[in-house]
Amino acid sequence: EAQVTQNPRYLITVTGKKLTVTCSQNMNHEYMSWYRQDPGLGLRQIYYSMNVEVTDKGDVPEGYKVSRKEKRNFPLILESPSPNQTSLYFCASSPYRQGNTGELFFGEGSRLTVL
Amino acid sequence: RKEVEQDPGPFNVPEGATVAFNCTYSNSASQSFFWYRQDCRKEPKLLMSVYSSGNEDGRFTAQLNRASQYISLLIRDSKLSDSATYLCVVIGASGYSTLTFGKGTMLLVSP
Repeated sequence: EAQVTQNPRYLITVTGKKLTVTCSQNMNHEYMSWYRQDPGLGLRQIYYSMNVEVTDKGDVPEGYKVSRKEKRNFPLILESPSPNQTSLYFCASSPYRQGNTGELFFGEGSRLTVL
Repeated sequence: RKEVEQDPGPFNVPEGATVAFNCTYSNSASQSFFWYRQDCRKEPKLLMSVYSSGNEDGRFTAQLNRASQYISLLIRDSKLSDSATYLCVVIGASGYSTLTFGKGTMLLVSP
């Protein structure tokens, strides 16, 4: 089954304790991205990647890191989480080709609470 | 001016009603337009792309007005299952590096 898988789906952690949210897609998509969704603010892009070893900052990259060592995986790293990073996080992928946009496929979301 | 704007709603309508949402965008060079649907606490899913000539999928009609820089979504004969948040997505000429989501419009369909 074609899908985007995020883990963990739910996490409660404490300030400063490093964590990684994994994202994996099995559709051989070039484009992957991370979003956070907060009430009243909508979906905001954190980082995106056009292909392996190519990552770029989105609108709200502060406090986050990503890597794209393999095409299928795009982990989101919070080196020192803070309470303002409490949010619902979505990973998405797409079979992007230059000049040919495609559908975004989202993971089910990861709800993170930082105490 | 924000890049992509939507009326947040909620739009409360009875079953069977026709409802329309608009989404305005500021970048006149925008190339691609989509409507996504998001159920409560779920991931967004593509509802339909928006083509220059307008397109229809069952009860749903999407239109693009480049001159006024907005896209619209019309839902006819609303069903209870249409209750969700509808997000517009605009992609600029540079492709996915310029992808922007609207904040979404919430629709509540009541019996």
